[in-house]
Amino acid sequence: GAVVSQHPSWVICKSGTSVKIECRSLDFQATTMFWYRQFPKQSLMLMATSNEGSKATYEQGVEKDKFLINHASLTLSTLTVTSAHPEDSSFYICSARALGRTTNEKLFFGSGTQLSVL
Amino acid sequence: LAKTTQPISMDSYEGQEVNITCSHNNIATNDYITWYQQFPSQGPRFIIQGYKTKVTNEVASLFIPADRKSSTLSLPRVSLSDTAVYYCLVGDATNAGKSTFGDGTTLTVKP
Repeated sequence: GAVVSQHPSWVICKSGTSVKIECRSLDFQATTMFWYRQFPKQSLMLMATSNEGSKATYEQGVEKDKFLINHASLTLSTLTVTSAHPEDSSFYICSARALGRTTNEKLFFGSGTQLSVL
Repeated sequence: LAKTTQPISMDSYEGQEVNITCSHNNIATNDYITWYQQFPSQGPRFIIQGYKTKVTNEVASLFIPADRKSSTLSLPRVSLSDTAVYYCLVGDATNAGKSTFGDGTTLTVKP
């Protein structure tokens, strides 16, 4: 199956700093990628839809100036958590939609990034 | 986008068959039903997808009744490594990725 690589797998940062998380589709092109956050023992919450070559679409309640998304190529989307604070500590997951596949599996997920803000 | 309801948790023993049912009363004509598995600190992994009747692959079966308002994921002969959270999602291909993740079902397989 298709592979989505997410990096880093975990990161610890000081409050007030910015953190960038990368999501790459390794063997397919993805015009659309998605970013989620997941708190312990909770489900995934969609934060935003990342569209190649255009602005991301954010879900209600997600601050676009705090969670900057860039999707500059067909294989890479980045999420930057700006001025991170302890309440931003969470598990962040990306997914990529693969087009033109004949199988039922069309959405592929990264392995997630655990962000801890001190 | 259709909302889904699943049992919060289920327990089973190794070697048993496990059936997890998901309700999706507001499923639309173009919607497919997709099940994912998630282990702690990992991204979800695709298990199976179906539209109607029965779908089977090497790891699971998916049963969908004629009215499509529910679906049942069947895991044959579970092992300890099947302990995970299972999510059912409902949506059409154009909305893949935007479907709402419900609370999921935490399956615990005991020896």
